[in-house]
Amino acid sequence: DGGITQSPKYLFRKEGQNVTLSCEQNLNHDAMYWYRQDPGQGLRLIYYSQIVNDFQKGDIAEGYSVSREKKESFPLTVTSAQKNPTAFYLCASSMGPRGRDNEQFFGPGTRLTVL
Amino acid sequence: KQEVTQIPAALSVPEGENLVLNCSFTDSAIYNLQWFRQDPGKGLTSLLLIQSSQREQTSGRLNASLDKSSGRSTLYIAASQPGDSATYLCASRGADSWGKLQFGAGTQVVVTP
Repeated sequence: DGGITQSPKYLFRKEGQNVTLSCEQNLNHDAMYWYRQDPGQGLRLIYYSQIVNDFQKGDIAEGYSVSREKKESFPLTVTSAQKNPTAFYLCASSMGPRGRDNEQFFGPGTRLTVL
Repeated sequence: KQEVTQIPAALSVPEGENLVLNCSFTDSAIYNLQWFRQDPGKGLTSLLLIQSSQREQTSGRLNASLDKSSGRSTLYIAASQPGDSATYLCASRGADSWGKLQFGAGTQVVVTP
């Protein structure tokens, strides 16, 4: 089955810890994205990557870091510098950043809670 | 900066009624607009994507229209069923080359049997 997987489904973090959220896709998509969703709000873009070994900051990148060493993988690290990390994190991918009918597909999400 | 608004935030209808969900955006220079469904605690499922050159897009009981000049898109769901209960989000893709989506906060729909 082609799709996007995220792990873990639930993650708990203590104050001062860094944690890494996994995102893997087997859709052969070039572009990948990380979004954050808070209750009652729309999704906000954290980071995106158009191609391997390249990524750009989104609207709320402070306190987060990413890497894109492989086409199918785009892990997100939530660092201790992120002051309010409790949220639902969603990974997405698309065939590419260009193209007028570029459609984004989403993974099942990871819920991060700070203890 | 593009702002996307969905009103109302919540909606309840009896089974069988048609659903009308609204999405408005402030910048008409969009490439496309995408509608998603989200079930509680789950990821987003893409429903329809309308290109900026299109007026509407249809899939089964779903129909989405786009009016760029007025900055509006509407999602119609015909003959609603309890299984349609979910949150529906719209997102516009701007003219940026890399395809950033700007999301509305969503409309939570409950279809009662």
